[in-house]
Amino acid sequence: DQQVKQNSPSLSVQEGRISILNCDYTNSMFDYFLWYKKYPAEGPTFLISISSIKDKNEDGRFTVFLNKSAKHLSLHIVPSQPGDSAVYFCAASEGNNDMRFGAGTRLTVKP
Amino acid sequence: DAGVIQSPRHEVTEMGQEVTLRCKPISGHDYLFWYRQTMMRGLELLIYFNNNVPIDDSGMPEDRFSAKMPNASFSTLKIQPSEPRDSAVYFCASSLAPGINYGYTFGSGTRLTVV
Repeated sequence: DQQVKQNSPSLSVQEGRISILNCDYTNSMFDYFLWYKKYPAEGPTFLISISSIKDKNEDGRFTVFLNKSAKHLSLHIVPSQPGDSAVYFCAASEGNNDMRFGAGTRLTVKP
Repeated sequence: DAGVIQSPRHEVTEMGQEVTLRCKPISGHDYLFWYRQTMMRGLELLIYFNNNVPIDDSGMPEDRFSAKMPNASFSTLKIQPSEPRDSAVYFCASSLAPGINYGYTFGSGTRLTVV
Protein backbone atom coordinates (compact mmCIF):
# COMPACT_ATOMS: atom_id res chain seq x y z
CA ASP A 1 0.00 0.00 0.00
CA GLN A 2 1.63 3.17 -1.21
CA GLN A 3 1.02 5.89 1.32
CA VAL A 4 2.81 8.52 -0.74
CA LYS A 5 1.95 8.88 -4.40
CA GLN A 6 3.43 10.86 -7.23
CA ASN A 7 1.07 10.27 -10.11
CA SER A 8 3.11 12.01 -12.78
CA PRO A 9 6.14 9.94 -13.75
CA SER A 10 7.54 12.75 -15.86
CA LEU A 11 7.29 16.48 -16.47
CA SER A 12 8.86 18.63 -19.16
CA VAL A 13 9.21 22.40 -18.76
CA GLN A 14 10.85 25.20 -20.69
CA GLU A 15 13.78 26.99 -19.06
CA GLY A 16 12.63 30.06 -17.15
CA ARG A 17 9.11 28.75 -16.61
CA ILE A 18 7.61 27.33 -13.46
CA SER A 19 7.87 23.62 -12.65
CA ILE A 20 5.16 22.19 -10.41
CA LEU A 21 5.61 18.71 -9.01
CA ASN A 22 2.73 17.13 -7.14
CA CYS A 23 2.47 14.60 -4.36
CA ASP A 24 -0.51 13.03 -2.58
CA TYR A 25 -0.56 11.04 0.62
CA THR A 26 -3.08 8.85 2.37
CA ASN A 27 -1.88 8.75 5.97
CA SER A 28 -3.38 11.69 7.84
CA MET A 29 -0.87 11.13 10.64
CA PHE A 30 2.05 12.24 8.51
CA ASP A 31 3.40 15.45 9.99
CA TYR A 32 6.60 16.10 8.10
CA PHE A 33 7.20 16.18 4.39
CA LEU A 34 10.36 16.36 2.36
CA TRP A 35 11.47 16.58 -1.23
CA TYR A 36 14.57 14.83 -2.47
CA LYS A 37 16.33 15.37 -5.76
CA LYS A 38 18.19 12.61 -7.56
CA TYR A 39 20.62 12.87 -10.44
CA PRO A 40 21.56 9.80 -12.50
CA ALA A 41 24.08 7.50 -10.83
CA GLU A 42 23.82 9.40 -7.55
CA GLY A 43 21.84 8.91 -4.38
CA PRO A 44 18.91 11.20 -3.56
CA THR A 45 19.80 14.45 -1.81
CA PHE A 46 17.62 16.48 0.50
CA LEU A 47 16.07 19.54 -1.15
CA ILE A 48 13.40 21.14 1.03
CA SER A 49 10.97 20.18 3.77
CA ILE A 50 7.81 21.36 5.48
CA SER A 51 6.18 20.63 8.79
CA SER A 52 2.44 20.01 8.98
CA ILE A 53 2.00 23.15 11.10
CA LYS A 54 2.88 25.22 8.03
CA ASP A 55 1.34 25.49 4.61
CA LYS A 56 4.31 26.98 2.79
CA ASN A 57 8.07 26.88 2.96
CA GLU A 58 10.35 28.74 0.62
CA ASP A 59 14.05 28.36 -0.12
CA GLY A 60 15.33 30.39 -3.02
CA ARG A 61 13.76 29.16 -6.23
CA PHE A 62 12.07 26.26 -4.43
CA THR A 63 8.77 26.50 -2.60
CA VAL A 64 6.79 23.65 -1.09
CA PHE A 65 3.06 24.04 -0.46
CA LEU A 66 1.07 21.79 1.85
CA ASN A 67 -2.70 21.34 1.74
CA LYS A 68 -3.53 19.12 4.70
CA SER A 69 -7.24 18.91 4.02
CA ALA A 70 -6.54 17.58 0.55
CA LYS A 71 -3.53 15.53 1.70
CA HIS A 72 -1.57 17.13 -1.08
CA LEU A 73 1.74 18.87 -1.40
CA SER A 74 3.53 20.42 -4.29
CA LEU A 75 6.99 21.65 -5.13
CA HIS A 76 7.33 24.79 -7.22
CA ILE A 77 10.56 25.69 -8.95
CA VAL A 78 10.72 29.21 -10.31
CA PRO A 79 12.44 29.91 -12.61
CA SER A 80 13.32 26.43 -13.81
CA GLN A 81 16.86 25.83 -14.99
CA PRO A 82 18.36 23.00 -17.07
CA GLY A 83 20.38 21.94 -14.00
CA ASP A 84 17.11 21.21 -12.22
CA SER A 85 16.56 18.24 -14.53
CA ALA A 86 16.47 15.26 -12.18
CA VAL A 87 14.11 12.84 -10.51
CA TYR A 88 12.24 14.37 -7.58
CA PHE A 89 10.98 12.20 -4.74
CA CYS A 90 8.35 13.26 -2.28
CA ALA A 91 8.65 11.76 1.23
CA ALA A 92 6.56 11.85 4.39
CA SER A 93 7.00 10.75 7.98
CA GLU A 94 4.89 10.43 11.10
CA GLY A 95 6.63 11.67 14.19
CA ASN A 96 9.97 9.97 14.48
CA ASN A 97 9.03 7.04 12.32
CA ASP A 98 10.83 6.26 9.11
CA MET A 99 10.04 8.12 5.92
CA ARG A 100 7.88 6.84 3.09
CA PHE A 101 8.75 7.84 -0.43
CA GLY A 102 6.76 8.33 -3.59
CA ALA A 103 7.68 6.77 -6.92
CA GLY A 104 9.37 9.93 -8.16
CA THR A 105 8.79 12.40 -10.99
CA ARG A 106 11.41 12.92 -13.67
CA LEU A 107 11.71 16.63 -14.45
CA THR A 108 13.26 17.74 -17.71
CA VAL A 109 13.98 21.44 -18.15
CA LYS A 110 14.60 22.31 -21.78
CA PRO A 111 16.92 25.17 -22.70
CA ASP B 1 33.33 12.55 6.23
CA ALA B 2 33.05 10.89 2.81
CA GLY B 3 29.33 10.37 3.18
CA VAL B 4 27.53 7.06 2.93
CA ILE B 5 29.64 4.62 0.99
CA GLN B 6 28.14 1.71 -0.89
CA SER B 7 29.85 -1.09 -2.76
CA PRO B 8 29.86 -2.35 -5.36
CA ARG B 9 28.44 0.36 -7.64
CA HIS B 10 27.32 -2.25 -10.15
CA GLU B 11 26.72 -5.94 -9.76
CA VAL B 12 25.75 -8.38 -12.47
CA THR B 13 25.04 -11.90 -11.38
CA GLU B 14 23.33 -15.02 -12.59
CA MET B 15 20.03 -16.18 -11.23
CA GLY B 16 20.48 -18.39 -8.21
CA GLN B 17 23.73 -16.83 -7.09
CA GLU B 18 24.25 -15.12 -3.76
CA VAL B 19 24.65 -11.35 -3.83
CA THR B 20 26.02 -9.20 -1.01
CA LEU B 21 25.67 -5.43 -1.00
CA ARG B 22 27.71 -3.36 1.43
CA CYS B 23 27.24 -0.04 3.17
CA LYS B 24 29.30 2.21 5.40
CA PRO B 25 27.16 4.87 7.08
CA ILE B 26 28.26 8.31 8.18
CA SER B 27 30.12 8.15 11.45
CA GLY B 28 27.85 9.11 14.32
CA HIS B 29 24.62 8.35 12.52
CA ASP B 30 22.64 5.92 14.66
CA TYR B 31 20.15 4.93 11.98
CA LEU B 32 20.81 2.99 8.81
CA PHE B 33 18.25 2.28 6.10
CA TRP B 34 18.21 0.01 3.10
CA TYR B 35 15.97 1.08 0.21
CA ARG B 36 15.23 -0.44 -3.16
CA GLN B 37 14.35 1.80 -6.08
CA THR B 38 12.00 0.49 -8.73
CA MET B 39 10.17 2.24 -11.54
CA MET B 40 6.76 1.45 -10.19
CA ARG B 41 7.20 2.00 -6.47
CA GLY B 42 10.02 4.46 -6.20
CA LEU B 43 12.07 4.10 -3.03
CA GLU B 44 10.84 1.18 -0.97
CA LEU B 45 12.11 0.78 2.56
CA LEU B 46 13.43 -2.73 3.07
CA ILE B 47 14.81 -2.56 6.60
CA TYR B 48 16.29 -0.11 9.06
CA PHE B 49 18.61 -0.37 12.03
CA ASN B 50 19.03 1.71 15.15
CA ASN B 51 22.35 1.34 16.92
CA ASN B 52 23.04 -1.81 14.90
CA VAL B 53 19.73 -3.45 15.90
CA PRO B 54 17.11 -4.18 13.21
CA ILE B 55 13.98 -2.20 14.06
CA ASP B 56 11.65 -2.78 11.14
CA ASP B 57 12.21 -5.41 8.49
CA SER B 58 8.62 -5.55 7.26
CA GLY B 59 9.71 -4.27 3.87
CA MET B 60 12.03 -7.19 3.20
CA PRO B 61 10.28 -8.90 0.29
CA GLU B 62 11.11 -12.52 1.01
CA ASP B 63 13.21 -14.83 3.10
CA ARG B 64 15.77 -14.68 0.34
CA PHE B 65 16.66 -11.21 1.64
CA SER B 66 18.64 -10.71 4.82
CA ALA B 67 20.47 -7.75 6.34
CA LYS B 68 23.01 -7.45 9.08
CA MET B 69 24.79 -4.67 10.88
CA PRO B 70 27.63 -6.22 12.86
CA ASN B 71 28.95 -2.83 13.98
CA ALA B 72 28.22 0.88 13.72
CA SER B 73 30.27 1.32 10.57
CA PHE B 74 29.15 -1.54 8.38
CA SER B 75 26.01 -3.18 7.07
CA THR B 76 25.27 -5.81 4.46
CA LEU B 77 22.21 -6.72 2.46
CA LYS B 78 22.28 -10.26 1.14
CA ILE B 79 20.08 -11.92 -1.45
CA GLN B 80 20.29 -15.69 -1.66
CA PRO B 81 19.31 -17.04 -4.12
CA SER B 82 18.97 -14.04 -6.41
CA GLU B 83 16.24 -13.81 -9.05
CA PRO B 84 15.82 -11.57 -12.12
CA ARG B 85 13.00 -9.64 -10.41
CA ASP B 86 15.51 -8.52 -7.78
CA SER B 87 17.16 -6.33 -10.41
CA ALA B 88 16.98 -2.75 -9.12
CA VAL B 89 19.08 -0.02 -7.57
CA TYR B 90 19.63 -0.56 -3.87
CA PHE B 91 20.34 2.47 -1.69
CA CYS B 92 21.70 2.69 1.78
CA ALA B 93 21.03 5.80 3.83
CA SER B 94 21.97 6.93 7.30
CA SER B 95 20.57 9.51 9.66
CA LEU B 96 20.79 10.91 13.15
CA ALA B 97 17.11 10.06 13.58
CA PRO B 98 14.48 8.34 11.43
CA GLY B 99 11.97 11.08 10.88
CA ILE B 100 11.32 14.74 11.35
CA ASN B 101 13.94 17.41 11.07
CA TYR B 102 16.61 15.02 9.93
CA GLY B 103 17.20 14.45 6.29
CA TYR B 104 18.64 11.15 5.29
CA THR B 105 22.02 10.97 3.62
CA PHE B 106 22.00 8.46 0.83
CA GLY B 107 24.81 6.53 -0.74
CA SER B 108 25.26 6.42 -4.50
CA GLY B 109 23.50 3.09 -4.72
CA THR B 110 24.29 -0.35 -6.08
CA ARG B 111 22.74 -1.23 -9.41
CA LEU B 112 21.99 -4.94 -9.32
CA THR B 113 21.27 -6.90 -12.47
CA VAL B 114 20.30 -10.54 -12.16
CA VAL B 115 20.33 -12.39 -15.47
